[in-house]
Amino acid sequence: AQRVTQPEKLLSVFKGAPVELKCNYSYSGSPELFWYVQYSRQRLQLLLRHISRESIKGFTADLNKGETSFHLKKPFAQEEDSAMYYCALRGAGFQKLVFGTGTRLLVSP
Amino acid sequence: EAGVTQFPSHSVIEKGQTVTLRCDPISGHDNLYWYRRVMGKEIKFLLHFVKESKQDESGMPNNRFLAERTGGTYSTLKVQPAELEDSGVYFCASSQPITGELFFGEGSRLTVL
Repeated sequence: AQRVTQPEKLLSVFKGAPVELKCNYSYSGSPELFWYVQYSRQRLQLLLRHISRESIKGFTADLNKGETSFHLKKPFAQEEDSAMYYCALRGAGFQKLVFGTGTRLLVSP
Repeated sequence: EAGVTQFPSHSVIEKGQTVTLRCDPISGHDNLYWYRRVMGKEIKFLLHFVKESKQDESGMPNNRFLAERTGGTYSTLKVQPAELEDSGVYFCASSQPITGELFFGEGSRLTVL
């Protein structure tokens, strides 16, 4: 079975502090991992995917197959990073995304 | 270019009534997905269309839910009769190709009283 776990419902940090949003997954094969973000009054949108190995808006995420994790990190949080973040998985041969419950990031000034 | 559009944005109905949600995907996107987020829980997959065909409907909760995609363009999701536990936000997404990025609509919030 495919499952994504985001243990934190809310993560509150101050501007300029480092941020790490945790994501662990359960899947027996080689998954494709994603981070989606929903800013206030905006639609859900792709932030980054592990295969592209990009840094988007200063965020990075590394797939750790040994720990089955795909944590999202940013060294210095900005107020505009405040949003709901969802980790998602797509298994080989499957087209659907499996989402976690999401983590709300709140960056205070 | 217009994104994925969903209608209505919010619907309030009473238990036992019928509601139909509509999704217009991005033009040219063959893949259309329906997801649902119930308060406090994950965004859960409902089903996936490729053009007009149902590719995967393993997430449909029960036979009170009926999804269609006539002509492979827009899609509707009908809930009949609605129950309290159907309340949530229903998201539609489209993609092209199948492994491409999913583009989401703003969601349709359904409240069943």
